[in-house]
Amino acid sequence: NAGVTQTPKFQVLKTGQSMTLQCAQDMNHEYMSWYRQDPGMGLRLIHYSVGAGITDQGEVPNGYNVSRSTTEDFPLRLLSAAPSQTSVYFCASSYGGGAYEQYFGPGTRLTVT
Amino acid sequence: AQTVTQSQPEMSVQEAETVTLSCTYDTSESNYYLFWYKQPPSRQMILVIRQEAYKQQNATENRFSVNFQKAAKSFSLKISDSQLGDTAMYFCAFVEGGSQGNLIFGKGTKLSVKP
Repeated sequence: NAGVTQTPKFQVLKTGQSMTLQCAQDMNHEYMSWYRQDPGMGLRLIHYSVGAGITDQGEVPNGYNVSRSTTEDFPLRLLSAAPSQTSVYFCASSYGGGAYEQYFGPGTRLTVT
Repeated sequence: AQTVTQSQPEMSVQEAETVTLSCTYDTSESNYYLFWYKQPPSRQMILVIRQEAYKQQNATENRFSVNFQKAAKSFSLKISDSQLGDTAMYFCAFVEGGSQGNLIFGKGTKLSVKP
């Protein structure tokens, strides 16, 4: 049981490049979410999904796209990277919504130059 | 808008002593959930404790306990017998309404446990 996995662990992008952060869970959780963590800002919700085929925006969705074609996978796409997207990104999953224990992945540290 | 405030950016405590981390929140709802999550230097986020607003009794998990003051909208975390492994960022988080809501996190308190 791997829990929540994220790849890559580290990534450096140039401004304007695109990339996809991968997230997968093997706990059959319906709810998955993406957060970004910036110094002094806590974690802020980017996008979330309550099940396959259903996604919605969180607090800071601009510049990011998501899709959920399977229960297991919830990739986050950066369409045209900007220095403001330099951050640590966490994927999480849970049985239900935020009221349930969130299981977090190990995070991806992204630097945009 | 709902907010979660952690007024102590950094704290330190001696090993084996007790420390209390503060958290206040703002909501007009009566049904909500509160959490403390821990993020050690490994960066892995881990649930420490969970409190349901309708429960009067304060939650406890081994050396971790909370002081939940609903009227004051306060949710502090007490760590007893602090250990070096408790060194971490601690985030207070809140979700209101039904269980499908999304978490709102505070900015965190960096706790250092000194030998």
